[in-house]
Amino acid sequence: QSVLTQPPSASGTPGQRVTISCSGSSSNIGSNTVNWYQQLPGTAPKLLIYSNNQRPSGVPDRFSGSKSGTSASLAISGLQSEDEADYYCAAWDDSLNGGVFGGGTKLTVL
Amino acid sequence: EVQLVESGGGLVKPGGSLRLSCAASGFTFSSYSMNWVRQAPGKGLEWVSSISSSSSYIYYADSVKGRFTISRDNAKNSLYLQMNSLRAEDTAVYYCARAVAAVDNYYYYMDVWGKGTTVTVSS
Repeated sequence: QSVLTQPPSASGTPGQRVTISCSGSSSNIGSNTVNWYQQLPGTAPKLLIYSNNQRPSGVPDRFSGSKSGTSASLAISGLQSEDEADYYCAAWDDSLNGGVFGGGTKLTVL
Repeated sequence: EVQLVESGGGLVKPGGSLRLSCAASGFTFSSYSMNWVRQAPGKGLEWVSSISSSSSYIYYADSVKGRFTISRDNAKNSLYLQMNSLRAEDTAVYYCARAVAAVDNYYYYMDVWGKGTTVTVSS
């Protein structure tokens, strides 16, 4: 059971907009910023969004993040086949004194 | 090029020990907090441990506390994870990751990851 809660799966067709939710608590998302990681099949995770809504250099602006209270979401617009991957939200947890991840959402591009 | 390369994984019997290493290059290693994150087969990511730039602050997941020890050698640009009393549930790919963090961890994100090293605990 992960500390952060994500839907196990999401899907969309090319060109569509999809969102992935992430629910936490006051000790993690409610207190600290949220990050999103993308893991393509067979590869290491890659930082996709940091500090709620910031994109690292090289990440397309089709990817965006937001946070409200103890929840966060990742939006992907103009969905492409190469976006098919697992997506994880993460934050620091002040009660656990450690990092916490969501269980991951497997995105399928139909 | 900024790079992290893990090594030291392998097959070990339950109750055994293993030491993982992570060699860093392309950045000022001594300026960053570092982490170990693992992923069991077919499962999600699990944060394992983190160590601040000067080793002043060290944190562990409850699942490994008392069995794993994180350490670093800034002179050698290296991060380590000593794993003792290994269990079957420790079987995973172990990733080394660089962190960018606020003093109070208000923002804490891992911006560089290694390719991982596989640890298998089985008799």
